[in-house]
Amino acid sequence: DTGVSQDPRHKITKRGQNVTFRCDPISEHNRLYWYRQTLGQGPEFLTYFQNEAQLEKSRLLSDRFSAERPKGSFSTLEIQRTEQGDSAMYLCASSFTLLGLAGVGDEQFFGPGTRLTVL
Amino acid sequence: AQKVTQAQTEISVVEKEDVTLDCVYETRDTTYYLFWYKQPPSGELVFLIRRNSFDEQNEISGRYSWNFQKSTSSFNFTITASQVVDSAVYFCALQTSGGSNYKLTFGKGTLLTVNP
Repeated sequence: DTGVSQDPRHKITKRGQNVTFRCDPISEHNRLYWYRQTLGQGPEFLTYFQNEAQLEKSRLLSDRFSAERPKGSFSTLEIQRTEQGDSAMYLCASSFTLLGLAGVGDEQFFGPGTRLTVL
Repeated sequence: AQKVTQAQTEISVVEKEDVTLDCVYETRDTTYYLFWYKQPPSGELVFLIRRNSFDEQNEISGRYSWNFQKSTSSFNFTITASQVVDSAVYFCALQTSGGSNYKLTFGKGTLLTVNP
């Protein structure tokens, strides 16, 4: 399978605990995105990487959230001191954009998501 | 700011019926792309179609067709002869050339149920 993969698929945790999710993008893709989707809503942008550089973070991403993409390959999203409001599906997507181009219109390929439940 | 509105929360049809999903978008940018994604119960978003703001030609791809009208800022999506496997949540999304030109702005989605 050469698509975007995410691990774990489901995570149940208690309020106050830290959690970490992993995303493995399509191998040749240089851009990686994290989105959050709550019940009955569309995905909302959280952050994005161009190779290993994190270039933009949404205001949705509080200081309890941190994302990394070491070596421009897989990415991790960590949530510290989880709150019940963090319960959501966390989606990862990747795309390939030619260097020097904005990347508007590039198809983003999505993974299956990690469903987080905070009790 | 960009915004996508999908006024239809849920649609239910009988197999073989045609169904149109509505999407209205807002942006001040002149260069942008519009997308439709499908999210089956498994949760993974599947890309369906893409259109850029300079191409208003409507097309048909298999059972899918779309109607892009800049004058009304609408990008409607039609499934012809619907099948049970089409049951899913469908999202319209916008990506613009200005500002955060890498993120997709999604609507809230339309839940389509195709009954046998």
